[in-house]
Amino acid sequence: EIVMTQSPATLSVSPGERATLSCRASHYVSSNLAWYQQKPGQSPRLLIYRASTRAAGIPARFSGSGSGTEFTLTISSLQSADSAVYYCQQYNEWPPLTFGGGTKVEIK
Amino acid sequence: QVQLQESGPGLVKPSDTLSLTCTLSGGSISGYYWSWIRQSPGKGLEWIGFIHYSGNTFYNPSLKSRVSISIDASKNHFSLNLASVTAADTAVYFCARSPDSDVWSGYYDYWGQGTLVTVSS
Repeated sequence: EIVMTQSPATLSVSPGERATLSCRASHYVSSNLAWYQQKPGQSPRLLIYRASTRAAGIPARFSGSGSGTEFTLTISSLQSADSAVYYCQQYNEWPPLTFGGGTKVEIK
Repeated sequence: QVQLQESGPGLVKPSDTLSLTCTLSGGSISGYYWSWIRQSPGKGLEWIGFIHYSGNTFYNPSLKSRVSISIDASKNHFSLNLASVTAADTAVYFCARSPDSDVWSGYYDYWGQGTLVTVSS
């Protein structure tokens, strides 16, 4: 099973600043990685797939990069609406599909 | 607009079988892959398994001996059965869709709102 490790656990960023979230896979996952945003009481929302492709309707301030075992989600100019927990998920080697433990983004 | 809605008992007794249904509206169940994913405070997001419209299934090896997913295209829904539940199976259960018809994409574009299932006597 591929273990996904996200860091930091919590990120506190001021509005308008950049937020950089990291996700590391225990084994090679190519570019088969997705990012999701989850707000309290809601289901996860797909942001990025294939490591860097934005899903439909996702603002351009969200971008993904990386391949292999190291990935990054960047929110270029943080807005208050971006306060949420962000999860990465690999789909290169399965079963099982696996998710990271999440990074909570807080607004300073 | 595709919408998914989970339904089923919110409370299940230990050793019983947890049964949930996910009903699709605004789209067709045909051709797609449909999954169950759960979320508990202790284990985060955990993939349970998926079923294709054709009936093919894949399950998480950690749950494989207890889980079964089925599909009823005539009712536009699919279902989860998880046997011999314990308190460790207490979680919010989500159903979700992979975006590509007849191709396993591996990620999820539509999710249900989730339903909390508590295992307790």
